[in-house]
Amino acid sequence: QKEVEQNSGPLSVPEGAIASLNCTYSDRGSQSFFWYRQYSGKSPELIMFIYSNGDKEDGRFTAQLNKASQYVSLLIRDSQPSDSATYLCAPAWRGGYQKVTFGTGTKLQVIP
Amino acid sequence: DVKVTQSSRYLVKRTGEKVFLECVQDMDHENMFWYRQDPGLGLRLIYFSYDVKMKEKGDIPEGYSVSREKKERFSLILESASTNQTSMYLCASSTPGEGGYEQYFGPGTRLTVT
Repeated sequence: QKEVEQNSGPLSVPEGAIASLNCTYSDRGSQSFFWYRQYSGKSPELIMFIYSNGDKEDGRFTAQLNKASQYVSLLIRDSQPSDSATYLCAPAWRGGYQKVTFGTGTKLQVIP
Repeated sequence: DVKVTQSSRYLVKRTGEKVFLECVQDMDHENMFWYRQDPGLGLRLIYFSYDVKMKEKGDIPEGYSVSREKKERFSLILESASTNQTSMYLCASSTPGEGGYEQYFGPGTRLTVT
């Protein structure tokens, strides 16, 4: 089992719809999670983190964490064509010799 | 703003050449990383460094070495480039943030080995 699993997509949603991106993880020791956005040909950029069970909202973005189910999600409301990118889920690195892992990412396409 | 720079955006090298990829960060971060990213395989960690002259192997260190002589600079070395090292190489630096160790990526170097 991979440490972080994401559906590679592409996930296609119409402009204005809600995009739901999902991530499952295997390490129960993971306490917090980051979501990175990566535009085609560019490097990943951090967009959100979440460390508590429940929801965290930032503008049109909502991150959700369920530690019991080992599940993280990112909801994008009112999706825009500019949201078209690959979204990477990553347990926060805990430093030292802790393993660094990223999901392989879900490609989102927002159709105008 | 954190700035991570990489020496080249695009690089073409021949098989067997020794290749140096440079990364510089300007935020005094202790931790620096080298990844490669390939379609379908995602980001894979090659090496990381948690202090000057300190390094740790990641998941795929074979064929690579690193050097960190100064805190702000982390170099990736391909000892003898091979075609299977054609990839996008990403450098990152990291510092503790509210959510944990946040990673900041450079723009990447797309390396082609012919």
